[in-house]
Amino acid sequence: GAVVSQHPSRVICKSGTSVKIECRSLDFQATTMFWYRQFPKQSLMLMATSNEGSKATYEQGVEKDKFLINHASLTLSTLTVTSAHPEDSSFYICSASSGRKGNEQYFGPGTRLTVT
Amino acid sequence: GENVEQHPSTLSVQEGDSAVIKCTYSDSASNYFPWYKQELGKRPQLIIDIRSNVGEKKDQRIAVTLNKTAKHFSLHITETQPEDSAVYFCAASTGGNQFYFGTGTSLTVIP
Repeated sequence: GAVVSQHPSRVICKSGTSVKIECRSLDFQATTMFWYRQFPKQSLMLMATSNEGSKATYEQGVEKDKFLINHASLTLSTLTVTSAHPEDSSFYICSASSGRKGNEQYFGPGTRLTVT
Repeated sequence: GENVEQHPSTLSVQEGDSAVIKCTYSDSASNYFPWYKQELGKRPQLIIDIRSNVGEKKDQRIAVTLNKTAKHFSLHITETQPEDSAVYFCAASTGGNQFYFGTGTSLTVIP
């Protein structure tokens, strides 16, 4: 149980285009989903927290107009990187929490974004 | 906000020896402390966690200790094996679900 999927696993896009990443909880309802960014050999940096049906809460320094997050249902959250630049290239990981087992979060496999 | 520091950043041990990774946190309201293992290019996997009402928790070769007064917690791996080689992250949460991660420790177990 507690499986989280992410799609796509890898994406290459041109500078200036937008990319959408999907995060799905496959066997549980995720009341809260989280989006992280991870640079090579670095830690996971929390970007934003999203609750189903409400606006995402962004961490300080994360541009909400650039990283659009939508949590439309209890099993799906999307992150759209708008007008991507090479410096947006990174590993993006989502996680999901059902809220039932306290604070536990279940991570997706991540999406490797490369902006050329 | 919460600030989590983790040491050491790299750690090499001989197979069979123990490994200890330490984390400190700044927010006294934090009450949940998970540890994750991440292999290269893969998702973080929860290996053990501890809540603030407990001082120590053990699961086979892995144990975590928590000192609330000093605001630090540690991961202990005994009888290390080559498959324990990975990056380990600690995290702290205040119960609002947000996790704040440490900077990671790259553990290498030398056969």
